[in-house]
Parts: sequence; C-alpha cells; structure tokens
Amino acid sequence: GIQVEQSPPDLILQEGANSTLRCNFSDSVNNLQWFHQNPWGQLINLFYIPSGTKQNGRLSATTVATERYSLLYISSSQTTDSGVYFCAVGAAGNKLTFGGGTRVLVKP
Amino acid sequence: DTGVSQDPRHKITKRGQNVTFRCDPISEHNRLYWYRQTLGQGPEFLTYFQNEAQLEKSRLLSDRFSAERPKGSFSTLEIQRTEQGDSAMYLCASSLDANPREAFFGQGTRLTVV
Repeated sequence: GIQVEQSPPDLILQEGANSTLRCNFSDSVNNLQWFHQNPWGQLINLFYIPSGTKQNGRLSATTVATERYSLLYISSSQTTDSGVYFCAVGAAGNKLTFGGGTRVLVKP
Repeated sequence: DTGVSQDPRHKITKRGQNVTFRCDPISEHNRLYWYRQTLGQGPEFLTYFQNEAQLEKSRLLSDRFSAERPKGSFSTLEIQRTEQGDSAMYLCASSLDANPREAFFGQGTRLTVV
C-alpha cells in the first residue's frame, strides 16, 4: 500500500513564527487532504489538494503530485494553531492513508 | 448541523462485552468510512461502504468486528467480546462518490475497555 511520511514529527514555535510541514508519499494519488486534529480528537479539514496550490487565511498548501510531496505553510502562527496536523492520501478514490502526523505547539 | 455525527462520544465497557457505535454521514454522501486511531498514531482504515454495499475491509477488522449500513444512510460498527487492545478512537467519515472525494470526519467515539 501507499506509504505516507510526515516531517518534522514535532514542532515548537513561538507565536508569530512561520513554519512548513512536509508530506511525502510513495505512489500516485488522486486525493490528498490536510487535517488539523483538535484536542478533542476531531479532524478538521484544512485543504483538499491533490495537486496545485491553495490558500486559506494564514494557511496555504502546495502539492507537487509528480514529485510525490505536499507542503503545508503556517504563517504568523497563533496558539490556536497548536495540535496535530495530518496529511492523508488516497488512490482509486477509496480509503485514505494517513501519515504519522506533525505535533505543533505554539508558545505565547 | 449537517456534518458527520457519531454516537456515543465516549464509551467505557468491561472486557468481553459487546459495543455498538453509530455514524450518520452528511446526507448527500453515498460513501461512508470507518477508521480507528490509537494514541499517538494516525487514523487507520477499517472499512468503507458505497451506499449499502461494504466494498472493502482492512485486515485490521477481525472477526469480532462487523459493520453495516442497511439502508445506505447511517452505519453501525459492532465489536463483540471486546478486548483491552480495542481501546481507541473510532472515527467515521463520509464523502461523495465523485470528485471531489473530499472526506469529512465526525467527532469520533472514544472506546475504553477496562
């Protein structure tokens, strides 16, 4: 099956800092999503981005499908950005395979 | 609220008991997925339905697990003879059957087996 690796595994930021999270995947995909898991466990959709670039406020994402990676950018981080960020990929339109996540802590 | 809904949010059960969880997907979504997440890990796929048909099951889904989606709407996940290793967050998601197949997740059911 598809392998998904996220880096870094842990990230500590000072409020206001910018950061980049990376997701590498081992095969062609037709679905790629970024999620933020809140402290109560819910997965919040950030981006559906099988290719190209999208922006939503302070967050943006880029997927280069031909090179099998995606990047999530967080600018001007806030304490509410803390949590775990997951990249998940899918092929043939079915199940998602998740990476191990990046645990982000934003300090005030 | 038109999101994915799961019930109960928390369940504590004794080892050996049976438990059943329910998931109500987004109404126009005909695909429904179940995932399991253990502490410190990413969610892992268990099974998925297209309408009422169960089309794929992970090898993680042992004989003690069964899932149904009888009318193509809500789904149930039953675990028989629970074991301590079944303690996890059980997540349900739904999506359309056509692009964009963006999946949306419910709040999960946290199971603790004591």
